[in-house]
Parts: sequence; C-alpha cells; structure tokens
Amino acid sequence: KQEVTQIPAALSVPEGENLVLNCSFTDSAIYNLQWFRQDPGKGLTSLLLIQSSQREQTSGRLNASLDKSSGRSTLYIAASQPGDSATYLCAVTQGGSEKLVFGKGTKLTVNP
Amino acid sequence: GAVVSQHPSRVICKSGTSVKIECRSLDFQATTMFWYRQFPKQSLMLMATSNEGSKATYEQGVEKDKFLINHASLTLSTLTVTSAHPEDSSFYICSARQNLPGGLGRDTQYFGPGTRLTVL
Repeated sequence: KQEVTQIPAALSVPEGENLVLNCSFTDSAIYNLQWFRQDPGKGLTSLLLIQSSQREQTSGRLNASLDKSSGRSTLYIAASQPGDSATYLCAVTQGGSEKLVFGKGTKLTVNP
Repeated sequence: GAVVSQHPSRVICKSGTSVKIECRSLDFQATTMFWYRQFPKQSLMLMATSNEGSKATYEQGVEKDKFLINHASLTLSTLTVTSAHPEDSSFYICSARQNLPGGLGRDTQYFGPGTRLTVL
C-alpha cells in the first residue's frame, strides 16, 4: 500500500527566504507526482505535476524535483512571500491507477 | 480554466438527518469525478470514484449505503451522507477529470472548494 509522508509538518520562515519542502513515498511504481496548495478551508490548487519519466518541473518561483528510485520529491520555493502561506500537499498517482494518494501536508507560514 | 464548484460550502445538521453535496464541472465534461474526505491535520482520503452512468467504486472501508453517490450527468455528481452522525463531520472535497480527445487530460484532476459538514 502506497504511503506518502511529508516533512516537516509545519514550517515558519521570514519573508524572502528560500525553502524546501520534502515528500517521500514508499512505492516507486508511480505514474506521476503532484504538488498542491491548499488555503484554510479551501480546495486544492495544482502547482506542479511531474511525470515519472521527468526529473523536475518549474513554474515561476517554484521548482519541484523527483527521484523516483529513492521515493523522494522536493518542492523548492524561492524568495518566499507572505502570500505563499498555505498548506502544501504532495500526491502520487500509482502506476495503472487514476487514484491520488496524498501526504498530510506541510503548513507553511511566511512572516512579513 | 477548468472550474469545479461544490454546494453547499458549509452545512450544519442534526444527527440522523441526510445531507446532499453537489459537485459540478462548470465549463467542461467529466466522465469521472472523485470524492475525498479530509479530517483536521490529516491527508485527503479518497472515498469513491464516481463514473457517469454507472455505479461508483468505493474504497475499502467506505460504506456505500451510507455515502450514496450519483453521477447522472457529465457535469454533476452528488454525494449523500445518509443518517449522518457526529463522526461524519469532516471536509468533503470533490474533483473532476476532464474528458479530452485521445485521453489527454487524464493526469489532471480539478478540485472543488470543499464542503464543511458539521453534524451535531
């Protein structure tokens, strides 16, 4: 059974700092990995999707990497802003399945 | 962009009543929709996969007679929590997968804003 773990559970940083969020998964037979953002009491916004054959994806200040063999992904946020404060969720799609398996998320607070 | 709505956004009900939650894809057709449940500080857990015109597929441990899913059209799926109890209080989120030619878009699920259910 696939399990997704995110570390740390919470992170507080001053504005302008670069930061890394970590995600690990137990079964490397994934189809893709996605990073989402969730604001309090809201739904999910997809940030980046990495196919299993890819190593990284970039969008603006965000960069996500994937090391499938070791079961790890990182989300790098450059020059953090208070508006980046949210919970960031990592999810994998298992090979041969359309189901998403989520981690518990990392709650990020960027202080002005 | 593809937008998914949910209604209601928040509902409070008495124990023993039934609650219906709607999930709509506003500007695209979705053969497949998904229902998730999220408890505080926990992961989103998939409850069931809803397929238009056929029975939903439930995840292990999810009671199909308690969580009734109907996907009668390509833009609407409903989740009914029957005889709700306080332990059913949770945040329910749906997502929809866009139908595109050649199977394009199968990677992407568009998520609704969620429904906060509180059972007293």
